[in-house]
Amino acid sequence: VQLVESGGGLVQPGRSLKLSCAASGFTFTDSYMAWVRQTPKKGLEWVATISSRGTTTYYPDSVRGRFTISRDYAKSSLYLQMNSLKSEDTATYYCARHGLRINFDYWGQGVMVTVSS
Amino acid sequence: DIQMTQSPASLSASLGETVSIECLASEGISNDLAWYQQKSGKSPHLLIHTTSRLQDGVPSRFSGSGSGTRYSLKISGMQPEDEADYFCQQSHKYPLTFGSGTKLEIK
Repeated sequence: VQLVESGGGLVQPGRSLKLSCAASGFTFTDSYMAWVRQTPKKGLEWVATISSRGTTTYYPDSVRGRFTISRDYAKSSLYLQMNSLKSEDTATYYCARHGLRINFDYWGQGVMVTVSS
Repeated sequence: DIQMTQSPASLSASLGETVSIECLASEGISNDLAWYQQKSGKSPHLLIHTTSRLQDGVPSRFSGSGSGTRYSLKISGMQPEDEADYFCQQSHKYPLTFGSGTKLEIK
């Protein structure tokens, strides 16, 4: 299993950024997928989940309405569209595969997002 | 939201020592509890799910237990490679939430 994130960087508050995650080594169509972020101060925070068929998405209140998770089966890729970014969205973002019990059984290497003027 | 209170925040142990880390959920989570290990500069790694089920390849010195709102991770015989941060996570309901982490160091 391999998950490789890309698309991070420095962005101004209020702007948008889209993260990508290329998945390989497992049946992408069978797996729920997620994004999790981490900061030294706040620790690990689950950000979004998408069902295996892409029909259902879940978000915490902190990002709902601003972030959108999506997936492309032809490219075996996961995405996170982040709009109206705030300084508190600054974090390392991980792409992760959900295990059978909604835990996270595989993680990418992470990508840094910095929201600052 | 279910709050996960993890303790201690940091811990120092000698090689061969047995250590325990605890997580207290703000409501019952029916054994839907996972533990992760994160080594310095690396991504988190799933150790245990459903309270006590070891992920493939995880050494048997790691074990998990608990029920209701109280859960614990035990390392029976600290090894040098166990120096890391450890996090619990509840998978009982959305929003999924993590404990604040325990930093485990070698004494």
